Amino acid sequence: NAGVMQNPRHLVRRRGQEARLRCSPMKGHSHVYWYRQLPEEGLKFMVYLQKENIIDESGMPKERFSAEFPKEGPSILRIQQVVRGDSAAYFCASSQGQPSSGANVLTFGAGSRLTVL
Amino acid sequence: GENVEQHPSTLSVQEGDSAVIKCTYSDSASNYFPWYKQELGKRPQLIIDIRSNVGEKKDQRIAVTLNKTAKHFSLHITETQPEDSAVYFCAARDSGGYQKVTFGTGTKLQVIP
Repeated sequence: NAGVMQNPRHLVRRRGQEARLRCSPMKGHSHVYWYRQLPEEGLKFMVYLQKENIIDESGMPKERFSAEFPKEGPSILRIQQVVRGDSAAYFCASSQGQPSSGANVLTFGAGSRLTVL
Repeated sequence: GENVEQHPSTLSVQEGDSAVIKCTYSDSASNYFPWYKQELGKRPQLIIDIRSNVGEKKDQRIAVTLNKTAKHFSLHITETQPEDSAVYFCAARDSGGYQKVTFGTGTKLQVIP
């Protein structure tokens, strides 16, 4: 089991460009979460998705940010027209998503570190 | 929505002493409380978790306690070692269909040799 895979691990963009971050959940996991972490700060919830559905995007800025988790392929967090303030580590996590199981562990990927010049 | 508060934000202890990190949550319906450890430049990793039908859980040098009435839970690390130095995050997951996990702001633990 390869765990939660994120790529790229490091991404450098100039202001105004687009950033695309990808996340493949653990095998058997159907729920994906994206968190943003600024240096020396905590994990800020952005969006929670299941296959083909956005369940909760309350933590995601309304402008420039979007996320998807298609039927096939990885989940993608897309940031358009990046600004310096978007520089952060973006962590993806996945879970099995079975409320009745009681042991719904969130497993994190290694993160994608975005630097905006 | 759920709000999780975590204290202290930084904690320094001498090697061998105990460390305690406390969290409170706002949603009484939350039923699962994991703790994550994040070493510098690494991903958060689950170290222990507790469900709402249990008051305490131990795993070697770490333990977590939960007080549902007061809506707070704590992480206890005994006999601390330098490799325990990291940022620790508490979290709470609501019991509704959304299962959103909300994290505390983190505690930076430094164990001084």
